[in-house]
Parts: sequence; structure tokens; C-alpha cells
Amino acid sequence: EVQLVESGGGLVQPGASLKLSCVASGFTFSDYWMSWVRQTPGKTMEWIGDIKYDGSYTNYAPSLKNRFTISRDNAKSTLYLQMSNVRSEDTATYYCTRTDNNYCFDYWGQGVMVTVSS
Amino acid sequence: DIQMTQTPSSMPASLGERVTISCRASQGISNYLNWYQQKPDGTIKPLIYYTSNLQSGVPSRFSGSGSGTDYSLTISSLEPEDFAMYYCQQYDSSPLTFGSGTKLEIK
Repeated sequence: EVQLVESGGGLVQPGASLKLSCVASGFTFSDYWMSWVRQTPGKTMEWIGDIKYDGSYTNYAPSLKNRFTISRDNAKSTLYLQMSNVRSEDTATYYCTRTDNNYCFDYWGQGVMVTVSS
Repeated sequence: DIQMTQTPSSMPASLGERVTISCRASQGISNYLNWYQQKPDGTIKPLIYYTSNLQSGVPSRFSGSGSGTDYSLTISSLEPEDFAMYYCQQYDSSPLTFGSGTKLEIK
């Protein structure tokens, strides 16, 4: 059974940094592109970016590229999202997703909440 | 960025009813469109990929169609478990973008 389990969320102050993790199981992690998607409290879905199966290429939403970094450790079957200089508009639930060949997010984690507030 | 306009934003409907949700792209997306369902507990699953292809395990009452800029998701006969949020997502070009969502509610 495919499982994606995110962690690392919580309350963070504006301007701070935060690193989210996603541990994958039930499939060969190193065979798949992975993505992060977030959902705002108003239910808007936003693609953050993705990373190639070997970690050699990343692609980001232009509005987030300068502050967010996606990485992976295939030996640990873990995906990461490094968030820096966070703002109130980064308050959202962050989902780790597996990306298939049709750029379909075919498996989603349960999501982790990040609240940016002083 | 390609903007995805999804309508309606909410839809009251009855069990057994046929419903259609629409998604319009700000430019042609060559059928590169997926649909997702989000349950009230937050669980998200894919329903349809590349406009009209059912994901494994998705009931046949779900179907997708469209071309160019206009796409739709149809549920032929609503079951209790279908009352949820639905999102379209284009992957014709980066950044990938989603529609604003449709909340399917019990009438």
C-alpha cells in the first residue's frame, strides 16, 4: 500500500524558516517524480513544485521559486520542502504527492498544516 | 500562467442525480487535464487523467470530456460518497494550475 506521511508543520513566525518532510512507503520511491501541493484555508489548491526521481532536476511555481526548495533522499525514501522567509500567505495545508507519467498526482499524503503568525 | 475557471463553485444535488462540473482554461491545454476528489476529512484522490481516462478503481459513473479550453466532469448518478470537493488541474504548461474547486452538496 502506497503511503505518504508528512511532518514538520506547525506555528511559525513571519520571516522564519521551516522544513517539511514526507516519508514514502509501499513503492520504489526512486522511480517517481514527486511534488508538493498546498491548499489555503480558503480551499485554493496551489502547485509548489516537483523533483525528478533522481533529484537532478527541480521545477517550481515562479511565485515561490526564490523562497522554497524541494529536495529528496532516495536512500531514506523521503521528500523535503525547505521554506524560508515565510509569510502569512504561506499559511496552508501542505501535501506531498507522487506524480505519474500524466502529471497526475496519483497519491497524496494526509497533509501537514503550516500556520504563519506572530 | 494558465488560469483554470471552474464552475459552479458549489452545487446542491440529490442522490441519483446526474451532475456536470465545468473547467475552462485561459488558453488551449491539449487535453492535458486531470480531475481530483477531496473528501470532507481532507483525503484527496485522482479520478480522471488526460481528460477522459478513469484512474484505477474509480467507479464508471464518473466520466470526463472536453477539448481545447473547455472540459467537464460528469457523475451519472450520485451516490452518498460522491458529496465532496472536486478540482480540475492542467498540466499543459508550467506552472501546473488548479481550478478553484466545486463543492458538491446534498440538496
